[in-house]
Amino acid sequence: QVRLVESGGGLVRPGGSLRLSCAASGFTFRDYYMGWIRQVPGKGLEWISYITETSASANYADSVKGRFTISRDNAKKSLFLQMNSLRAEDTAVYYCAVLAINGWSYFFDNWGQGSLVTVAS
Amino acid sequence: QSVLTQPPSMSGSPGQSVTISCTGSNSNIGTNYGVHWYQQLPGTAPKLLIYGDNNRPSGVPERFSGSKSGTSASLAITGLQAEDEADYYCQSYDNSVGGSLVFGGGTKLTVL
Repeated sequence: QVRLVESGGGLVRPGGSLRLSCAASGFTFRDYYMGWIRQVPGKGLEWISYITETSASANYADSVKGRFTISRDNAKKSLFLQMNSLRAEDTAVYYCAVLAINGWSYFFDNWGQGSLVTVAS
Repeated sequence: QSVLTQPPSMSGSPGQSVTISCTGSNSNIGTNYGVHWYQQLPGTAPKLLIYGDNNRPSGVPERFSGSKSGTSASLAITGLQAEDEADYYCQSYDNSVGGSLVFGGGTKLTVL
């Protein structure tokens, strides 16, 4: 079955950097778009970024554009999120997810368990 | 402020039916882009509940159904059960400003 395991979260100071990883298994990773979604504790879901199967293109939410970079290594079945210039408002649980595309539908059909990132001094 | 608008909370008694609304605009739900729904049980990751407006992934009970009309979508739950108490989120694609994936603010469903 599909398994997504995030790692790399933790406490970081404002202005600092952090790199999240997501290890995928149970499906043909190289065939799927992948994405990151975050959730401030007690709040709603916010899409952050997605990347195409071959890394040909990526898209970002305005809230992280220019600060976060999504990447992937298909050989290692891994997804990454490099987060720079972190702010207190970036504090959230970050989920890795498979982005399924079916005609006009773009949806996340499998999710990891999440990794907590806390930005505080 | 979420691009898609949902009621913050709803409630129902076991056996009853509830319908959660999701209101968007002509750049997201009002287009051909599908609307999808997720269920998030307390302390867990979200789970896909409905995709492409009204399709259920394998394993999702028939009690859950989705619909879309104009710039709004709905998630209907019939025969409410205690284990349905969760947060529910709608999601779609928005083709304004370069395109992005957008979520509703979420609806907390309480089973009385």
